[in-house]
Formats: sequence, C-alpha cells, structure tokens
Amino acid sequence: AQSVTQPDIHITVSEGASLELRCNYSYGATPYLFWYVQSPGQGLQLLLKYFSGDTLVQGIKGFEAEFKRSQSSFNLRKPSVHWSDAAEYFCAVRNPGGYQKVTFGTGTKLQVIP
Amino acid sequence: EAGVAQSPRYKIIEKRQSVAFWCNPISGHATLYWYQQILGQGPKLLIQFQNNGVVDDSQLPKDRFSAERLKGVDSTLKIQPAKLEDSAVYLCASSFSRANTEAFFGQGTRLTVV
Repeated sequence: AQSVTQPDIHITVSEGASLELRCNYSYGATPYLFWYVQSPGQGLQLLLKYFSGDTLVQGIKGFEAEFKRSQSSFNLRKPSVHWSDAAEYFCAVRNPGGYQKVTFGTGTKLQVIP
Repeated sequence: EAGVAQSPRYKIIEKRQSVAFWCNPISGHATLYWYQQILGQGPKLLIQFQNNGVVDDSQLPKDRFSAERLKGVDSTLKIQPAKLEDSAVYLCASSFSRANTEAFFGQGTRLTVV
C-alpha cells in the first residue's frame, strides 16, 4: 500500500529565510505527487504537482519541489519565506492511472517568526 | 469558476445524534471524495465516487457512516449515531476523472461531538 511520511511535525523559520519541508513516499513505481497547503479554518489548496518529466516542479506562491526517485522523496522548498506562508503543509501521493485514492501525510506545521 | 461548496461550515451535536453534510463539486468533475481530518492528522479518505458509483469505501465505518451521490452531482455524508471520536473536519473534494489531474477541496465542515 502506498504511504507518505512527513518527518517534521513542526518547523519554525525566520521571515526571509529559506525553507525545506521533507516528504518521503512508499510505492512500487513512480506515483503522482502533490503538495497542498492548509491555512487555519480553510480547505486544502494545491501548491504544485508532479506527474512525470522534469523532476523540478514550480508551483504557486514561489514554491518548488524536487522529485528524487533514488531517495523516494519529494521535498518542498522556498528560497525566502514570508509571514503569510505560516500554515500547515501536506504531501500527498496517488497511484497513476485509474481511480486511485490520494493518500496524505500527517502534515508539517510551519511557523514564521519576524 | 466556482469551487467545491460544502455546508454547513460548523456543527455541534451530542453523541448518539445524527448529522449530515452536503457537498456540491465543481461542475464537470466526475470524481468526488469525502475525507476525514482529525486534529493534528492528515486527511483520511472515507469514500470516493466516480459519477454516482462508489469506487473506494474501504475506510468508511459503514456501521455508522453512509454517503450517497444521487444523479452523480452533489453528495451527502451522514453519521448516525455519532461518537465522540467523530469530531473532525470533513472535507469534500472533486476532480476530473482523467488520471493526471488533481483534487480540488472545499473549506470543510468542522464537526464537534460532545
């Protein structure tokens, strides 16, 4: 069965600093990969997705993620964090093809300090 | 384009009572998902519909939870009777039925069982 691990439950960074959120997945082949962001009281908003092709994907709000097959990872990065980035971030995986469900990680809560 | 609509936004009920949530997906989206998100955890898929048929309900507690998607458009999720551990945010999402697409989420319904 597919699974997603986000090892960092909570991360605190200073505004303007760089950010990297870790995500590792378990799946026999290359799945579809997603990063979602959830602000308090809100639903999930898609930041970026990887289906195939270029392993470095660009998303909204200045985020990017890199798919590394050898490490089964899909880490999210941002070169300079803004206070408005404070939220919870979820990595998700889906089997390619068919009507397969999307499996989410447990999330990483990001705190941004001045 | 209108997003995924959910109602109500908040609901407080006593244990053993029943409750229903409503979801209207994005127009044209054949796939509809219901997720349960317990505080501090990632969303967990409860049930997935393709048009009005169930594709995956393996994690739905069928002794108390039920869902339907009549006419393949909007959907309702019901809990009867509710337990304290059902307190969570219930998220509805929808997507096109093609494989390489992402799910779009509603704002969710926060259920508190007291």
